[in-house]
Amino acid sequence: AQSVTQPDIHITVSEGASLELRCNYSYGATPYLFWYVQSPGQGLQLLLKYFSGDTLVQGIKGFEAEFKRSQSSFNLRKPSVHWSDAAEYFCAFNTNAGKSTFGDGTTLTVKP
Amino acid sequence: EAGVAQSPRYKIIEKRQSVAFWCNPISGHATLYWYQQILGQGPKLLIQFQNNGVVDDSQLPKDRFSAERLKGVDSTLKIQPAKLEDSAVYLCASSLKPGTNTGELFFGEGSRLTVL
Repeated sequence: AQSVTQPDIHITVSEGASLELRCNYSYGATPYLFWYVQSPGQGLQLLLKYFSGDTLVQGIKGFEAEFKRSQSSFNLRKPSVHWSDAAEYFCAFNTNAGKSTFGDGTTLTVKP
Repeated sequence: EAGVAQSPRYKIIEKRQSVAFWCNPISGHATLYWYQQILGQGPKLLIQFQNNGVVDDSQLPKDRFSAERLKGVDSTLKIQPAKLEDSAVYLCASSLKPGTNTGELFFGEGSRLTVL
């Protein structure tokens, strides 16, 4: 079955600290991978995406993610978190048929 | 470029009543999705349209939910009769070419439904 697992429901980091949000997927082939961010009361906004090529991809707002095929993972990282990064983060993948599957999200809290 | 438009943003109804949500996707996006997002969970696909045809409605509770996309542009999602467990945010999204390297989804701000 196709699925996305985000093991951390809630993460708290101090402003200026580094961040890593974990994502694992289950799919029979290499999917198209995405990270989205959702601020309270808003829809989801694309942070970055991976399709092929370089396994380290850069996104908006200083985020990056690394695809590791052997671990079926696509973890999101940021070297220095800002208070405005507090939000909910969703990992997702698309199949070749265009079906999107989302994880249940990780809520990020940023301490001053 | 205008984003995905949804209305209403908020709706409160009694159980067994009906409700309808409207979505207008980004111009040129042939694929339109309706997702249900329950508090604390990720978006769950209800229905996917390609132009005005249904691609996937396997998770749509068809006894109470219906959706249409006449003329392949805007779409309406209806719930009748509503149940308490339908309380959620209903997200509409559109995509240019799903299943390709331009397959990311563009989301509207959502319609929050509360069923009392």
